[in-house]
Amino acid sequence: DQQVKQNSPSLSVQEGRISILNCDYTNSMFDYFLWYKKYPAEGPTFLISISSIKDKNEDGRFTVFLNKSAKHLSLHIVPSQPGDSAVYFCAAYNFNKFYFGSGTKLNVKP
Amino acid sequence: DADVTQTPRNRITKTGKRIMLECSQTKGHDRMYWYRQDPGLGLRLIYYSFDVKDINKGEISDGYSVSRQAQAKFSLSLESAIPNQTALYFCATSAISGTDEQFFGPGTRLTVL
Repeated sequence: DQQVKQNSPSLSVQEGRISILNCDYTNSMFDYFLWYKKYPAEGPTFLISISSIKDKNEDGRFTVFLNKSAKHLSLHIVPSQPGDSAVYFCAAYNFNKFYFGSGTKLNVKP
Repeated sequence: DADVTQTPRNRITKTGKRIMLECSQTKGHDRMYWYRQDPGLGLRLIYYSFDVKDINKGEISDGYSVSRQAQAKFSLSLESAIPNQTALYFCATSAISGTDEQFFGPGTRLTVL
């Protein structure tokens, strides 16, 4: 059973608007969370992370929010750009291992 | 040059064949990982290694074996390939801190007929 879930396989957003990608997890022992971005024919690349002691981390256009009581995190991209079109994976860390969600394919329309 | 390389990039093989996928890194990282990606399932951990003498099973190690030949090299073998091992395989590295980001190779697309 997957411990990290991304329930939206795809998301389409207009350029300039906000993109919100969601991720849920089941294991309360996860203490660190990351988002990766993946373009076709390439490996995932790190985007942003957050420790469980925080509820928000911001890096330029990207902000990750963590709601531990709901076991939910989200990635906000503002403003969205066509170059942000990719598959986004969330990942959770516990005891030397990373657990990945199934990914959300974001399409930012010009 | 890429920090994490994988060979081959694409491979088509037949059921029962032995296959080796290779991964090399120039980042100087001690930790290396092998994942497979299947549609709708994301990345699942097959094996990981924290140094040359340390090999650990991941979530889905059955049917696979690994070899850590050096700090920079980590190989994944399928002793007798089967069709449900058709997937995209990624190698990754990370620094010594467990929560450090992972650096991924470009992936190997394996098809088992």
